[in-house]
Amino acid sequence: EIVLTQSPATLSLSPGERATLSCRASQSVSSYLAWYQQKPGQAPRLLIYDASNRATGIPARFSGSGSGTDFTLTISSLEPEDFAVYYCQQRSKRVTFGPGTKVDIK
Amino acid sequence: EVQLVESGGGLVQPGGSLRLSCAASGFTFSSYAMSWVRQAPGKGLEWVSAISGSGGSTYYADSVKGRFTISRDNSKNTLYLQMNSLRAEDTAVYYCAKDLTGAHCSGGSCLFDYWGQGTLVTVSS
Repeated sequence: EIVLTQSPATLSLSPGERATLSCRASQSVSSYLAWYQQKPGQAPRLLIYDASNRATGIPARFSGSGSGTDFTLTISSLEPEDFAVYYCQQRSKRVTFGPGTKVDIK
Repeated sequence: EVQLVESGGGLVQPGGSLRLSCAASGFTFSSYAMSWVRQAPGKGLEWVSAISGSGGSTYYADSVKGRFTISRDNSKNTLYLQMNSLRAEDTAVYYCAKDLTGAHCSGGSCLFDYWGQGTLVTVSS
């Protein structure tokens, strides 16, 4: 099983600031890494797939980068609606998710 | 518009059974692999099972293999999850999810572009 580790566990920022979230895989997943956003009481929403491709309807302030074992999700300027939990997910082998990073308001 | 609506959750005793359903609309159901993903209260996401578009291939997480069975009825645009021998640790919100890439996610290597709202399964005496 490929284990995904996310850091930090919690990120406290203000609206307008830049958010940088990290996801590290226990072995190479090539570019088969996705990012999801989840708000309380809601289902996850796909943001980024294959490391750097924005899903349909996702604003340009969300971007992804990385390959192999190290990946980054960047939110260029936080909007109030961006405060949520973010999960990474790999599909190089059987699906696994990271434990999540909570982005909360400072 | 893609819609996925789960049903069938509820309270069940340990060792009991439950069948979840997911009614799909807004896309050609048989052309896409589908999965179940669960989330225990206050915890992260765990992939449970996947099925190819035809239903001919199925994949399971080790934690549910031998106890859960995924199936689909393409004539009814509906996905199912039969859960037997339920344990307290199966307590979670269960989401159905559509695969982005098409009819196959080989070996369970799936990518989820649409999710249902989830249905809560509680296993407790």
